[in-house]
Amino acid sequence: AQKITQTQPGMFVQEKEAVTLDCTYDTSDPSYGLFWYKQPSSGEMIFLIYQGSYDQQNATEGRYSLNFQKARKSANLVISASQLGDSAMYFCAMSPVGRGSTLGRLYFGRGTQLTVWP
Amino acid sequence: DGGITQSPKYLFRKEGQNVTLSCEQNLNHDAMYWYRQDPGQGLRLIYYSQIVNDFQKGDIAEGYSVSREKKESFPLTVTSAQKNPTAFYLCASSIRREVGETQYFGPGTRLLVL
Repeated sequence: AQKITQTQPGMFVQEKEAVTLDCTYDTSDPSYGLFWYKQPSSGEMIFLIYQGSYDQQNATEGRYSLNFQKARKSANLVISASQLGDSAMYFCAMSPVGRGSTLGRLYFGRGTQLTVWP
Repeated sequence: DGGITQSPKYLFRKEGQNVTLSCEQNLNHDAMYWYRQDPGQGLRLIYYSQIVNDFQKGDIAEGYSVSREKKESFPLTVTSAQKNPTAFYLCASSIRREVGETQYFGPGTRLLVL
């Protein structure tokens, strides 16, 4: 069974500081993809960053980077220079290679509510 | 602009009533998905479709039905058999159903039971 764990229900960070949101996953598949999404209060899920299990380098997208530690099955999101607009719920998700019906589907964690204060 | 639209934004259902949530995409994506989100929880997969006229059940398909008659459209019907339908429903699409393909989401529909 696939499982995503986000242990931090809420995180607080001051504006312009960096923050790390934790994500661990459990899968027996040799190949998988890891995603982070942002969900502001409006509800829409916004794609932030992707990491493939065979990628040698950690993914980066602007202020977002993914600290991927394959042996630990960890895929933490790092947000540098936090902004007030970063306040939102953040979800970690995994796409296992699977077989048949599980191919390409996403498994989500419960999310971490990030609050950025001035 | 390309994207995914969902309507309505808010939907109210009476006891015993079927309601249909709309999802349309103009991204030319083959795969489409429906998720349910309850407070304090992540998203759970209801149904997905890889191609027109084909769809598969996800983890919580009971009480729901879908159709995929057109590539652009993937409506979800919440039937009276769904006893606890109050939730936030999100539709998503991806180019194809493969590992690593990013799913893009619509703005969602909030369903409330009267």
